Amino acid sequence: TQLLEQSPQFLSIQEGENLTVYCNSSSVFSSLQWYRQEPGEGPVLLVTVVTGGEVKKLKRLTFQFGDARKDSSLHITAAQPGDTGLYLCAGVMRSNTGKLIFGQGTTLQVKP
Amino acid sequence: EPEVTQTPSHQVTQMGQEVILRCVPISNHLYFYWYRQILGQKVEFLVSFYNNEISEKSEIFDDQFSVERPDGSNFTLKIRSTKLEDSAMYFCASSALVPPGNTIYFGEGSWLTVV
Repeated sequence: TQLLEQSPQFLSIQEGENLTVYCNSSSVFSSLQWYRQEPGEGPVLLVTVVTGGEVKKLKRLTFQFGDARKDSSLHITAAQPGDTGLYLCAGVMRSNTGKLIFGQGTTLQVKP
Repeated sequence: EPEVTQTPSHQVTQMGQEVILRCVPISNHLYFYWYRQILGQKVEFLVSFYNNEISEKSEIFDDQFSVERPDGSNFTLKIRSTKLEDSAMYFCASSALVPPGNTIYFGEGSWLTVV
């Protein structure tokens, strides 16, 4: 079974705190994408990581792809209320069809 | 910025009725997808489409489902005889090339309610 496990599923923190969301699998992915989804809307891409060990930064967000390309993490520094939302990881298996396997998502609440 | 557009945004239909969900992918993209998300559950892959044919489909995508690219701009998902369990948000997506390294862009979704 192709599974991406995200943890934690829910996270409630105070403004200014740091947090990390994890995305793990026993399968190897050729790339992994992180999305943010607002209620009733489609996923919006944050970043794509392709190379094992790759680190990408997007302002206060840092994304890392594991060396073995089986896991990834999203770290947010000094979280703000505007970071509140659902964060999804999605991986592409070694296929030529572009099929994405999604994790179940992490709901983040940042309280002022 | 180019975007994937979907219509309708919300549709309510009687069980057993046919539904067609429409999508306009980003204009220079070659790969097209449908995903769905049942309320409270994860986003699930339905089908990918390239060069006017299905390149991969999931177990969910049974004989009740079909996709079509009737012209150069639209990409449709048809459900022939809807069931209650088809109620979900359906997302169309497109990409210029196949990942890795090429981003899949999602539309806003079509919320289907089967009653």
